[in-house]
Amino acid sequence: ETGVTQTPRHLVMGMTNKKSLKCEQHLGHNAMYWYKQSAKKPLELMFVYSLEERVENNSVPSRFSPECPNSSHLFLHLHTLQPEDSALYLCASSQDWTSGAKNIQYFGAGTRLSVL
Amino acid sequence: GDSVTQMEGPVTLSEEAFLTINCTYTATGYPSLFWYVQYPGEGLQLLLKATKADDKGSNKGFEATYRKETTSFHLEKGSVQVSDSAVYFCALISGNTPLVFGKGTRLSVIA
Repeated sequence: ETGVTQTPRHLVMGMTNKKSLKCEQHLGHNAMYWYKQSAKKPLELMFVYSLEERVENNSVPSRFSPECPNSSHLFLHLHTLQPEDSALYLCASSQDWTSGAKNIQYFGAGTRLSVL
Repeated sequence: GDSVTQMEGPVTLSEEAFLTINCTYTATGYPSLFWYVQYPGEGLQLLLKATKADDKGSNKGFEATYRKETTSFHLEKGSVQVSDSAVYFCALISGNTPLVFGKGTRLSVIA
């Protein structure tokens, strides 16, 4: 148990659906992250939030919309996805988003997303 | 920009074999270095870390030494077990940038 919980663990959706991924951390951290992990590709950092403000957005398509209502919760809203968006989506949190050892990231188990 | 290069996998070893997974980095300043492990069906977990040159991180029989002169942070274990089968990620953080990960190396240990 890493202290970061992601729901759901598995999600199957059609290209016209709207769904949301949820992440909750119980570690008192100030920074939260979304990553995309596809087969045979490196981990892709999607979004970084620090104290509920977005500090990094790595050219992610607008069909992915993050929301951070407070420092413990992070959502990823999905709409009109494509089959190539099928992947494992990982959430992580850290004490701070920079500054060496304070950036040790704790990961959730991920949501396995399949887009049909 | 900062980057991490780790050996391509997959790596397949017999139980009790010696493991080395190579990792080299490019960074400005003095990065902190990490190894993360991802077991099947799970997220990434921090395995070990080193925050300055010549530091040795160790955990669960794994070790890695921060070598500034060769910009390396190779992961080693003297005797692997089937339960060590996983994907291993080398990573760094330097200055005001988020964690930078390598591509990962898949290890399979067979009995």
